[in-house]
Amino acid sequence: EDQVTQSPEALRLQEGESSSLNCSYTVSGLRGLFWYRQDPGKGPEFLFTLYSAGEEKEKERLKATLTKKESFLHITAPKPEDSATYLCAVQVSSGGSYIPTFGRGTSLIVHP
Amino acid sequence: DTGVSQDPRHKITKRGQNVTFRCDPISEHNRLYWYRQTLGQGPEFLTYFQNEAQLEKSRLLSDRFSAERPKGSFSTLEIQRTEQGDSAMYLCASSLGSRAGNQPQHFGDGTRLSIL
Repeated sequence: EDQVTQSPEALRLQEGESSSLNCSYTVSGLRGLFWYRQDPGKGPEFLFTLYSAGEEKEKERLKATLTKKESFLHITAPKPEDSATYLCAVQVSSGGSYIPTFGRGTSLIVHP
Repeated sequence: DTGVSQDPRHKITKRGQNVTFRCDPISEHNRLYWYRQTLGQGPEFLTYFQNEAQLEKSRLLSDRFSAERPKGSFSTLEIQRTEQGDSAMYLCASSLGSRAGNQPQHFGDGTRLSIL
């Protein structure tokens, strides 16, 4: 069965303290790995898509990387406004359909 | 605002009642997805449409759940004979279609359903 596991479940950082979030996956027919940010009471907001091992994407303080079995979301010098839940998702091809599977997310709190 | 919109934002109903939610996708997107999300969990895929065709519905939670997208534009999700366990956030997302099926999805802010 296809699975997506995110760690840690929760992370508390001081402002400026860099860290990384992990997303490991065991899927076949991977069509892309996606990172989203979700604020309380809101829908997920798209951040990055990664398609193949070795690929990297950057946006402001965030950098996403991908290997054959996992992805990392690196947060450099975070600010309090980076506090949110970060979700990882994979899109898998299955019998002509495309099934998105999300992890449970990492809840990030950045203290000033 | 040209994002995905969902209506209503909140729905409170008694157990056993039927509820219907509406989703208006981004206009140029031909794929539309429905998810359920409970507290502390990631979104759980329910079904999706390519234009008006429902391409995957095996993940709908039970036969009480059904979805339509009659003209390939807006979509509705209906839950019949609601149960306590149906209380959750129901999210809609849309995306461009591609042969590789790997376009990012853009989400609405969801409908929060509470069953009394």
